[in-house]
Amino acid sequence: GNSVTQMEGPVTLSEEAFLTINCTYTATGYPSLFWYVQYPGEGLQLLLKATKADDKGSNKGFEATYRKETTSFHLEKGSVQVSDSAVYFCALIRSNFGNEKLTFGTGTRLTIIP
Amino acid sequence: EAQVTQNPRYLITVTGKKLTVTCSQNMNHEYMSWYRQDPGLGLRQIYYSMNVEVTDKGDVPEGYKVSRKEKRNFPLILESPSPNQTSLYFCASSFSPGELFFGEGSRLTVL
Repeated sequence: GNSVTQMEGPVTLSEEAFLTINCTYTATGYPSLFWYVQYPGEGLQLLLKATKADDKGSNKGFEATYRKETTSFHLEKGSVQVSDSAVYFCALIRSNFGNEKLTFGTGTRLTIIP
Repeated sequence: EAQVTQNPRYLITVTGKKLTVTCSQNMNHEYMSWYRQDPGLGLRQIYYSMNVEVTDKGDVPEGYKVSRKEKRNFPLILESPSPNQTSLYFCASSFSPGELFFGEGSRLTVL
């Protein structure tokens, strides 16, 4: 079946540091890949997505590249801010149609200290 | 404003006392879903609905019921809550199953 593995947290960084959160997946076919972010006390929000190999999703300074050869979708940001403190979820879906569902990783808690 | 609204946001109840968590969306989405979030387990899907009167089980449906009588509403029903249903619950909706809009969550404690 489908699965998503994220690096375990929590991750603590200083402001302006470089961020990488690792995500690898197992799925048949050509899934679409997503990063969701959950700020304290809120629901999840879609951060970025990529629907085919070598696509790069980007939003709010975050980037992730769909690497089919390594089955990875690592999240990166060049210079983090305190406001980036949140829990980040990697997710995949095999197909964006029909009764397919998102499969989520367990989440990585990120804390940025000033 | 586009949103998914859940109620109640917080609830403490006792074992066996039926409860309903309501979910409403104003984006005319056909797809709606319920998830529970537990530490170390991430999000697990409870039930989903592809359209009015069409619902199906997710990964952890035991102890839950849903209904979809109108497009905008998708209530989650716990007929006889038990302590292992203590969790943070999220409703979500979408035009397609991958790009979800989530509600703010309902934290349920069953004593």
